[in-house]
Amino acid sequence: EDQVTQSPEALRLQEGESSSLNCSYTVSGLRGLFWYRQDPGKGPEFLFTLYSAGEEKEKERLKATLTKKESFLHITAPKPEDSATYLCAVQVNTGANSKLTFGKGITLSVRP
Amino acid sequence: ETGVTQSPTHLIKTRGQQVTLRCSSQSGHNTVSWYQQALGQGPQFIFQYYREEENGRGNFPPRFSGLQFPNYSSELNVNALELDDSALYLCASSWGQEETQYFGPGTRLLVL
Repeated sequence: EDQVTQSPEALRLQEGESSSLNCSYTVSGLRGLFWYRQDPGKGPEFLFTLYSAGEEKEKERLKATLTKKESFLHITAPKPEDSATYLCAVQVNTGANSKLTFGKGITLSVRP
Repeated sequence: ETGVTQSPTHLIKTRGQQVTLRCSSQSGHNTVSWYQQALGQGPQFIFQYYREEENGRGNFPPRFSGLQFPNYSSELNVNALELDDSALYLCASSWGQEETQYFGPGTRLLVL
């Protein structure tokens, strides 16, 4: 069974304090790994897709990386507006539907 | 370009009742996936529709059913509501079964 584990569950940072969020996965045939941001009471907002080990993608203060067992979301010099829950999800090569299997998310709080 | 929209935004029902949730996919997208997100958890896959056909189902009972229409909008129906059905219901659309899924704002369902 596909499994996604995110750590830590919650992270509190001071504005400007860089850190990393971890997503470990166990799947049979990874097609893609996705990062989403979710604000309270809203739907997830797409951030990145990573397809193969060694791939990296950047957007503003965020950088996502992928290995064969895990992905990291690095946040450089975060601002209070980066406070949100960050979700990691995997999609596998089933040849059938393309469901996403999510982790529980990491709640990030950035203090001014 | 219009994003994914869902209606209603909030809904309160009592145990045993039936509910229909609606989703309009993003322009050009032919695939719709539905997810259930309990408080503090990641989204759980319910089912996916591709070109009006159900294309995969998660671990949800038959009282969860759906439809996709020729314009690719979709409905999620839940019969015989239970207290545990209280959650945020998310719809996601994509161009094709294996492409990035973009989420709507969700419908918050409370079952009393």
